[in-house]
Amino acid sequence: DGGITQSPKYLFRKEGQNVTLSCEQNLNHDAMYWYRQDPGQGLRLIYYSQIVNDFQKGDIAEGYSVSREKKESFPLTVTSAQKNPTAFYLCASRGPQRSANEKLFFGSGTQLSVL
Amino acid sequence: GESVGLHLPTLSVQEGDNSIINCAYSNSASDYFIWYKQESGKGPQFIIDIRSNMDKRQGQRVTVLLNKTVKHLSLQIAATQPGDSAVYFCAETPGGYNKLIFGAGTRLAVHP
Repeated sequence: DGGITQSPKYLFRKEGQNVTLSCEQNLNHDAMYWYRQDPGQGLRLIYYSQIVNDFQKGDIAEGYSVSREKKESFPLTVTSAQKNPTAFYLCASRGPQRSANEKLFFGSGTQLSVL
Repeated sequence: GESVGLHLPTLSVQEGDNSIINCAYSNSASDYFIWYKQESGKGPQFIIDIRSNMDKRQGQRVTVLLNKTVKHLSLQIAATQPGDSAVYFCAETPGGYNKLIFGAGTRLAVHP
């Protein structure tokens, strides 16, 4: 059963704490993305990776970090520098351009809240 | 998650009616447009896309219309069903998926 798995579904962060959100895909996609979703707003791009061992900042990368050591995995760390981390975080992957899998496939999201 | 969709415009329709969800996009250079559906507590799901060299594209029960003159995109859902209840997002891009710009979304509520 192919897809994107995000975990955990709910996560709570204490003041000054770093937390890591997991994203795993078995779709054999090269490109992976992290988006942040706030109530009443569209999705905003945090980081993206087009290939293993390479990643680029999106529009709101400050306070976040990522790694891409394996094709299947693209974890997002929300650092203590992110002062407003409460949001719904979505991971996505994409197949080759001009293929049937060109569009973004999203995971089911992680809701992060601050204690 | 559960907080998605607060303070969004809402379209309420009766089951069986047709629904039209509108989206005004911002960048005249955008050449690719996508509609996503997001149910509560889930990630967005691709519905249909259209490139700027087209005015209309049809899928199963859905049609997307593009008016480049007024930078307007619409999603038409025929014979709306309760399972269509969700938040619908449009997205535009002037250059590839790394530059996708998402709208805030519209909540569709289907009543029996």
